[in-house]
Amino acid sequence: QKEVEQNSGPLSVPEGAIASLNCTYSDRVSQSFFWYRQYSGKSPELIMSIYSNGDKEDGRFTAQLNKASQYVSLLIRDSQPSDSATYLCAVTLSGGSYIPTFGRGTSLIVHP
Amino acid sequence: EADIYQTPRYLVIGTGKKITLECSQTMGHDKMYWYQQDPGMELHLIHYSYGVNSTEKGDLSSESTVSRIRTEHFPLTLESARPSHTSQYLCASSEGRITNEKLFFGSGTQLSVL
Repeated sequence: QKEVEQNSGPLSVPEGAIASLNCTYSDRVSQSFFWYRQYSGKSPELIMSIYSNGDKEDGRFTAQLNKASQYVSLLIRDSQPSDSATYLCAVTLSGGSYIPTFGRGTSLIVHP
Repeated sequence: EADIYQTPRYLVIGTGKKITLECSQTMGHDKMYWYQQDPGMELHLIHYSYGVNSTEKGDLSSESTVSRIRTEHFPLTLESARPSHTSQYLCASSEGRITNEKLFFGSGTQLSVL
């Protein structure tokens, strides 16, 4: 089992809809959780971080963390074509180094 | 403006050549990283550093080396390039606080080994 798993997609949603991206992780002691957005041919950029159970909202983005079920999700409200990108989940696993481990990413396509 | 820079942006080189990928950051971050990413795949950690004179190996480090003589500079060297090294190489940095490992990435170097 991979340490951080994401459905590779693509996830296709119409403009204005809610896009829901999911990520599961294997380490119960994980501490920090991040969502990065990566446009084709570009580098990842951080869009959300979450450290405790519950929801964290930032504009159209909401991160949800459930440590008991070992999943973290990203909701994008009022999806726009400019949101079309690959979304990478990253988790800081236990073990001392605190280096983020990345999932494979979910490709999101928002069509007009 | 605080940023992280990678050069070259693209590199095409023949098998057996020694190459160094440059990475510099002006954010004063302690931790720096090198990741390798193939299209549609996850980022794989090659090397990382906690600060000056600190270097650690990641998952894919066996064929490359790094150095950290200055806080802002973290070059990656391939002693003998092979076609299997063809990939995107991403440098990143973070403040280094345990609960705040937000990574800032450079623009990447796309390496092609013929």
